[in-house]
Amino acid sequence: QKEVEQNSGPLSVPEGAIASLNCTYSDRGSQSFFWYRQYSGKSPELIMFIYSNGDKEDGRFTAQLNKASQYVSLLIRDSQPSDSATYLCAVPPSGGSNYKLTFGKGTLLTVNP
Amino acid sequence: GAGVSQSPRYKVAKRGQDVALRCDPISGHVSLFWYQQALGQGPEFLTYFQNEAQLDKSGLPSDRFFAERPEGSVSTLKIQRTQQEDSAVYLCASSRQKRRDTGELFFGEGSRLTVL
Repeated sequence: QKEVEQNSGPLSVPEGAIASLNCTYSDRGSQSFFWYRQYSGKSPELIMFIYSNGDKEDGRFTAQLNKASQYVSLLIRDSQPSDSATYLCAVPPSGGSNYKLTFGKGTLLTVNP
Repeated sequence: GAGVSQSPRYKVAKRGQDVALRCDPISGHVSLFWYQQALGQGPEFLTYFQNEAQLDKSGLPSDRFFAERPEGSVSTLKIQRTQQEDSAVYLCASSRQKRRDTGELFFGEGSRLTVL
């Protein structure tokens, strides 16, 4: 069973701070990594994906990938109360079934005004 | 449609009843997925369709669970003889791509099933 681990939180940060969300995965062969945001009672929505080692930036969001350490993170700069949500890390397995995602349990982020 | 549409949004069933959950994916999306999300957990894969073909049903918890997509668009997830452990949110997602690179999923709002 391939696993994706996240700290469940809650992670609480003040408005304007940097929020750092972390994820580790067990399948060393995984090639792509996804971050979904899920507001309470709503469905997950994709906010970032990363394939290559290093950083990928999109607005206030930065995804960081370290395949050697099997670690992927999401940084949210200038956090806003509207960023308060659960952030889900998702990893497709290596091999032929790479269409299905294994999700972590998610980290609940609260941004305090 | 503009997004993935699921119905019903909420369903309360007595233990032993059969339920059917409907998903209408984004028009033209080839791939369709069902996921189950228990309270406080991440979504867990149930099954995958490419057009009308069910290519993977390895995540279905038991033979009480059945999914179909007969014309390659609308899909139905059926649960027979519901049990309390079936209580969860059932999420449908679609993707424009075929097998590879299907990490960009568009999820519906989900159907919340409560089994009493």
